[in-house]
Amino acid sequence: DGGITQSPKYLFRKEGQNVTLSCEQNLNHDAMYWYRQDPGQGLRLIYYSQIVNDFQKGDIAEGYSVSREKKESFPLTVTSAQKNPTAFYLCASSRTLAGVGEQYFGPGTRLTVT
Amino acid sequence: QQQVKQSPQSLIVQKGGISIINCAYENTAFDYFPWYQQFPGKGPALLIAIRPDVSEKKEGRFTISFNKSAKQFSLHIMDSQPGDSATYFCAASLWAGGYNKLIFGAGTRLAVHP
Repeated sequence: DGGITQSPKYLFRKEGQNVTLSCEQNLNHDAMYWYRQDPGQGLRLIYYSQIVNDFQKGDIAEGYSVSREKKESFPLTVTSAQKNPTAFYLCASSRTLAGVGEQYFGPGTRLTVT
Repeated sequence: QQQVKQSPQSLIVQKGGISIINCAYENTAFDYFPWYQQFPGKGPALLIAIRPDVSEKKEGRFTISFNKSAKQFSLHIMDSQPGDSATYFCAASLWAGGYNKLIFGAGTRLAVHP
């Protein structure tokens, strides 16, 4: 089955701890994205990557970091600098950056920080 | 202006009825308008999409109507079923800041009652 996997589904952390969310895709897509979803709001772009070893900040990158060492993997680290990290995090991919309108999403990770 | 305004925020429809969700935009540089469907606890999935040179696109019970002059587009779900109960996001893409960007509306939570 081709698709995007995110793990874990639920994640709980104490305030002040960094946490890394996993995202893996086997669609052979070049572009990958991280979004944050809060109740009553649309998806907001955190980071995106159009190719291995390259990534760019999205609209709300402060307090987050990413890496893209392999085409299949795009992990997101939520650092202690992120003021309000509790949210639903979605990873997505598209064939290329030009195909951004046709994104495939993973099942998401719900992060709760207390 | 890169916003996409979506309404209503929530919608209740009886089984067999027509669900209508509206979106509006300001930036005429948007060139692709997808709709995503999201079930609770899942990632969004691409439902249907349209380009601005087309006024209507139909796929099964789902139709996008596009009004370029009014800068509005809408999703119509005919013969709505309880299985259609989900959150629907409109989106629009454009080339901005060196990459192809996808802007999401805030979402409409649809409940179809039997």
